[in-house]
Amino acid sequence: DADVTQTPRNRITKTGKRIMLECSQTKGHDRMYWYRQDPGLGLRLIYYSFDVKDINKGEISDGYSVSRQAQAKFSLSLESAIPNQTALYFCATMQGSTNTEAFFGQGTRLTVV
Amino acid sequence: AQSVTQLGSHVSVSEGALVLLRCNYSSSVPPYLFWYVQYPNQGLQLLLKYTSAATLVKGINGFEAEFKKSETSFHLTKPSAHMSDAAEYFCAVSPSGGSYIPTFGRGTSLIVHP
Repeated sequence: DADVTQTPRNRITKTGKRIMLECSQTKGHDRMYWYRQDPGLGLRLIYYSFDVKDINKGEISDGYSVSRQAQAKFSLSLESAIPNQTALYFCATMQGSTNTEAFFGQGTRLTVV
Repeated sequence: AQSVTQLGSHVSVSEGALVLLRCNYSSSVPPYLFWYVQYPNQGLQLLLKYTSAATLVKGINGFEAEFKKSETSFHLTKPSAHMSDAAEYFCAVSPSGGSYIPTFGRGTSLIVHP
């Protein structure tokens, strides 16, 4: 099984619908992140969490919310999806020191129609 | 504050040719630097990292990168490209102390021609 698992892998939803993307990890890392990938823009940080009680906004948090249900689980919600939220979303984890790399899930491809 | 600039959104090489992907960084503190690779329909995986030890870093699949502080660069190279190297490559910077939030470049798509 993958160390970082994202569900669903693909999703098509309608404008205005609420949708949740889920991420779970088995690496025991305390830090979890949600990124969005758009062609030509690289990865942009949406939200991050350093532990269950610590949630922080990233550079593009508008229109998104998150929940850290447990150390291993970090969910991203779109309260009212809009077409420009169509993108590839990645969850990542990291151990609590900066000389370690991030571990990524396989991604969720979200299309808002 | 920190940032990463990857020069060239696409790099095209012939199989067997040298691969050079450029990355320049900006950081207010000594940085840790990373290269990640993304194959189609997959997440990112680490190629190599610089964490203030040796300035020439060797990674997986024959890739290496050299940290040059004077040039604020961390370019990725491979002597001989293989078809399987075709992928998206991301450079990332993380501060050596503090926020533990990596910042990614916009990515460079490597195209390998037979």
